Amino acid sequence: DGGITQSPKYLFRKEGQNVTLSCEQNLNHDAMYWYRQDPGQGLRLIYYSQIVNDFQKGDIAEGYSVSREKKESFPLTVTSAQKNPTAFYLCASKEKGTDTQYFGPGTRLTVL
Amino acid sequence: AQSVTQPDIHITVSEGASLELRCNYSYGATPYLFWYVQSPGQGLQLLLKYFSGDTLVQGIKGFEAEFKRSQSSFNLRKPSVHWSDAAEYFCAVGRGGSGYSTLTFGKGTMLLVSP
Repeated sequence: DGGITQSPKYLFRKEGQNVTLSCEQNLNHDAMYWYRQDPGQGLRLIYYSQIVNDFQKGDIAEGYSVSREKKESFPLTVTSAQKNPTAFYLCASKEKGTDTQYFGPGTRLTVL
Repeated sequence: AQSVTQPDIHITVSEGASLELRCNYSYGATPYLFWYVQSPGQGLQLLLKYFSGDTLVQGIKGFEAEFKRSQSSFNLRKPSVHWSDAAEYFCAVGRGGSGYSTLTFGKGTMLLVSP
């Protein structure tokens, strides 16, 4: 089955710890995206990557970092510098030649 | 900069009644427009998209949307709502084409379906 997987579905961390969220796709899409979702806020773009070894900051990149070493993978690290990391995180990839994005199931991060 | 407004935070519709969710966008050129649906705790599922051509587009699950350039709108409609349609709906606008393109999302409309 082609699609986007995110793991884990639920993640708990203590304040001050870095945590990495996984995103993998087997759709052969070049572009990948990370969004943060908070109640009543819609989706806000954290980082995106058009090709391997290249990525751009989105609207709320502070306190986050990414890497894109493989086409299939785009992990997001939530660092201790992120002041309010508890949220639902969504990964997406984009079909080439269009703006159509397809989403993974999401990871709910709770920082205690 | 592009923006999307979904004026209704919540809408309640009786099962079997018709539905219209509103979406207004701000964008200088011809936009790419999308509607997504999200069930609680899940990712977003694409319902339909408009790139060009016929301004009335059909999507999955019996949904349709109409692009009206003069009103900068892309409203989502369904003639008869089912209880399983209860979810949050997001409208999004894209710049169009490839390259470093991103989507801008509205804040969503929560649809509640009453018996």
